[in-house]
Amino acid sequence: AQSVTQLGSHVSVSEGALVLLRCNYSSSVPPYLFWYVQYPNQGLQLLLKYTTGATLVKGINGFEAEFKKSETSFHLTKPSAHMSDAAEYFCAVIHTGGFKTIFGAGTRLFVKA
Amino acid sequence: DGGITQSPKYLFRKEGQNVTLSCEQNLNHDAMYWYRQDPGQGLRLIYYSQIVNDFQKGDIAEGYSVSREKKESFPLTVTSAQKNPTAFYLCASSATSANQETQYFGPGTRLLVL
Repeated sequence: AQSVTQLGSHVSVSEGALVLLRCNYSSSVPPYLFWYVQYPNQGLQLLLKYTTGATLVKGINGFEAEFKKSETSFHLTKPSAHMSDAAEYFCAVIHTGGFKTIFGAGTRLFVKA
Repeated sequence: DGGITQSPKYLFRKEGQNVTLSCEQNLNHDAMYWYRQDPGQGLRLIYYSQIVNDFQKGDIAEGYSVSREKKESFPLTVTSAQKNPTAFYLCASSATSANQETQYFGPGTRLLVL
């Protein structure tokens, strides 16, 4: 069965520091991969997605993620954290040929001034 | 503005009561979804609909029911059979049910049991 693992339920960084949120998936074939962000008491918003092509994907708000097939990873990064980045981030996968989206448990990002 | 609306924002349920959560989209999307969100568990799929007048159970459909009589509407009923309904409920839609489609989410409804 497919699964998505987000390492660290909470990550804390200082403003201006690098943000790294980790996501690993289990799949026998490369899936489609997504990162969503959720602000408190709101729905999810797409940050970026990988389907095919270039493995480094750029998204909104300065975030990017790199698909590494050999490591079955899709980690999310941002060079410099901003206070407004504080939110919960979800990694998600869809099996190619499938339909259902599998979400990770989420990582809450705290940004310290 | 196109988007997804959910109402109410907060909903209180009494023991033995059925309650219905509303979800409306004006994005002309074919596919719609209901998810349940619990702390530390991510999102779990309750029901989904790929087209009007058709819907399928997701991973945790027991105690829930849906209808899809109109393209823009996908209401979720939490029945008295759902013994632990307290959660944040999210509705989403996508243009089609193709597997690379982005899902667009509503703002959510928080259901609490009295």
